[in-house]
Amino acid sequence: QQPVQSPQAVILREGEDAVINCSSSKALYSVHWYRQKHGEAPVFLMILLKGGEQKGHEKISASFNEKKQQSSLYLTASQLSYSGTYFCGTDGGSQGNLIFGKGTKLSVKP
Amino acid sequence: DAGVIQSPRHEVTEMGQEVTLRCKLISGHNSLFWYRQTMMRGLELLIYFNNNVPIDDSGMPEDRFSAKMPNASFSTLKIQPSEPRDSAVYFCASSSIRGGSYNEQFFGPGTRLTVL
Repeated sequence: QQPVQSPQAVILREGEDAVINCSSSKALYSVHWYRQKHGEAPVFLMILLKGGEQKGHEKISASFNEKKQQSSLYLTASQLSYSGTYFCGTDGGSQGNLIFGKGTKLSVKP
Repeated sequence: DAGVIQSPRHEVTEMGQEVTLRCKLISGHNSLFWYRQTMMRGLELLIYFNNNVPIDDSGMPEDRFSAKMPNASFSTLKIQPSEPRDSAVYFCASSSIRGGSYNEQFFGPGTRLTVL
């Protein structure tokens, strides 16, 4: 039931774009995205809810395809500060408990 | 607001000893989540509470693990007896339910546990 993230890792140059995907085998109520820097706690980025509502940062965009049970996180014009591991967390029953994927490690180089 | 507070930040103990991890929620939040993170298994949900009531503890590895929420703002996670395979970073996170939907989870800084 753990969502599958792809790619596992990606290396970018500053200014390049990246897409991180999250796929689940079960119906989803919401998808949450978090970023974790090395040695730190995960930090909230965005929630995508069934029905199209989104809550999150203006500079980060994401999509949620309920029928395909997939979500994608779009990082445009990447900056050095974007480096870290990105996790999607899926909620299948609106109970608030998340199952996190294994993460996508993003490295942005100058 | 000070955010989610966890203590201790680091704990080194010997196999067989009891370990107690502590977490203080953000004021006004009513949901509390305990996670464990390792390289091998990633970020795993152990247990979560709503309004002090444990809702789902299916992620608790075994009976050696127990969690309590004695009041609305404080929780403990206890491991007794501890084993080397319990070594991990343990996070707690707090959140709130508004309008029937869950909101973002705020993670504490974590407790890095090493069991020798």
